[in-house]
Amino acid sequence: GAGVSQTPSNKVTEKGKYVELRCDPISGHTALYWYRQSLGQGPEFLIYFQGTGAADDSGLPNDRFFAVRPEGSVSTLKIQRTERGDSAVYLCASSLRSGTGALNTEAFFGQGTRLTVV
Amino acid sequence: ELKVEQNPLFLSMQEGKNYTIYCNYSTTSDRLYWYRQDPGKSLESLFVLLSNGAVKQEGRLMASLDTKARLSTLHITAAVHDLSATYFCAVGDSGTYKYIFGTGTRLKVLA
Repeated sequence: GAGVSQTPSNKVTEKGKYVELRCDPISGHTALYWYRQSLGQGPEFLIYFQGTGAADDSGLPNDRFFAVRPEGSVSTLKIQRTERGDSAVYLCASSLRSGTGALNTEAFFGQGTRLTVV
Repeated sequence: ELKVEQNPLFLSMQEGKNYTIYCNYSTTSDRLYWYRQDPGKSLESLFVLLSNGAVKQEGRLMASLDTKARLSTLHITAAVHDLSATYFCAVGDSGTYKYIFGTGTRLKVLA
C-alpha cells in the first residue's frame, strides 16, 4: 500500500477484555515499530521488529502486552486484561532499514489506533 | 539512558515572525528526526539529520544538527498559520533500534 495502515482506527473495550491492534507496513519495509502516545505526550517506544523477530521489546510495559509479526509484514499488538491506563493512541511505523548509521532509516507512521478502555 | 528534551513546550507567535525550537539529548546519537503532528493525526516526517553540521530546509522550516553539543534546532522563518501543529524531535538511541521522542512543542501561529 501507499502508507502504513492501522486497523481499527478506534477501539473501545471494557476493562479486563482482550484486544488486538493490526499494522500493515509499507511494502518492502523490513523494520517495524510500535509506539504508544498518551494525550499531550510524545510517542513512547514499545517494540521493534526486524523481519519476523522482535529485536527489541524493552518498551513493553508488562506481560499483558505482546506483539507478533509472523511473516515479516503485518504485525499485531495484543493486549490482555486491558486496564484503563492502557488507553492511548497506538502508533505503528515502518522503515526500509534500521540501525546505527544506516541510511534509509526514516520511519513512516500510520494513523494510529485510538484505544479507550472503559 | 537517552533522554530528549524540547523547548519551549508551547509557542504562540504572530504570523511573519521568526522563532527556533530546540531539541537537546543526553547521550551520543547518530540520527535525529523532526516530525509534525496535527491534532488527531499521525506523525508526518519533516527532516532526517544523520551527521554533525547537517542542515536541511523545506519551505519556511530549517533544521540543523550539532552532535557535539547534542543539540538540534528547528527554525521557523516568517511563520504562517498553516504551520500551527505540534513538532517532535526523535533521537536514535545508539546501539539500539529505538527512537526516543521529545515532549513536543505545540506551535500556534496567530493571524
